Amino acid sequence: DVKVTQSSRYLVKRTGEKVFLECVQDMDHENMFWYRQDPGLGLRLIYFSYDVKMKEKGDIPEGYSVSREKKERFSLILESASTNQTSMYLCASSFMAYEQYFGPGTRLTVT
Amino acid sequence: AQSVTQPDIHITVSEGASLELRCNYSYGATPYLFWYVQSPGQGLQLLLKYFSGDTLVQGIKGFEAEFKRSQSSFNLRKPSVHWSDAAEYFCAVGAVTNAGKSTFGDGTTLTVKP
Repeated sequence: DVKVTQSSRYLVKRTGEKVFLECVQDMDHENMFWYRQDPGLGLRLIYFSYDVKMKEKGDIPEGYSVSREKKERFSLILESASTNQTSMYLCASSFMAYEQYFGPGTRLTVT
Repeated sequence: AQSVTQPDIHITVSEGASLELRCNYSYGATPYLFWYVQSPGQGLQLLLKYFSGDTLVQGIKGFEAEFKRSQSSFNLRKPSVHWSDAAEYFCAVGAVTNAGKSTFGDGTTLTVKP
């Protein structure tokens, strides 16, 4: 069965901390995505990766960076966390333009 | 550019009643179309998809959707709703020409009354 896992379900960090969110997929998908989800704003794409070491900015990349050193792993980095980055973060993967498989999400709170 | 509109932010139906969730898309060629469901605090799960062929597609949990090219619509239906169907539903459109990315609608929240 297809699986996307995220390193934490819940995370609490302080303002200014560096935060790493990790995502691993076991389907050998070339595409991986990071979204944030906020009430009333739907899913917003932060970054997208279409191959190892390849990345593309999404709709809201400011304040975030990503790393993809191995095909199965895609990390989202908050260089200096701020309270407006409190959100639900969803990772997904896909083969080409086909359906995306989502992880369970990480609810991040920045205080 | 592709876009997706889900006109209904919130829908309430009684258990056992039929359901239709609307989705309209904008895309120049034949798109790939998806419906996902999200239970509270969870990730999204694929309900069904349309790539080509038969315009009526069946999905999991008794859901179906119909692709209507003339109306640019891909509405989701279920003949009899169960209390466990209460969730948020997202329509999405993808395309090979968009480097594998999908555009998601803003979602429709379904409440089921006993």
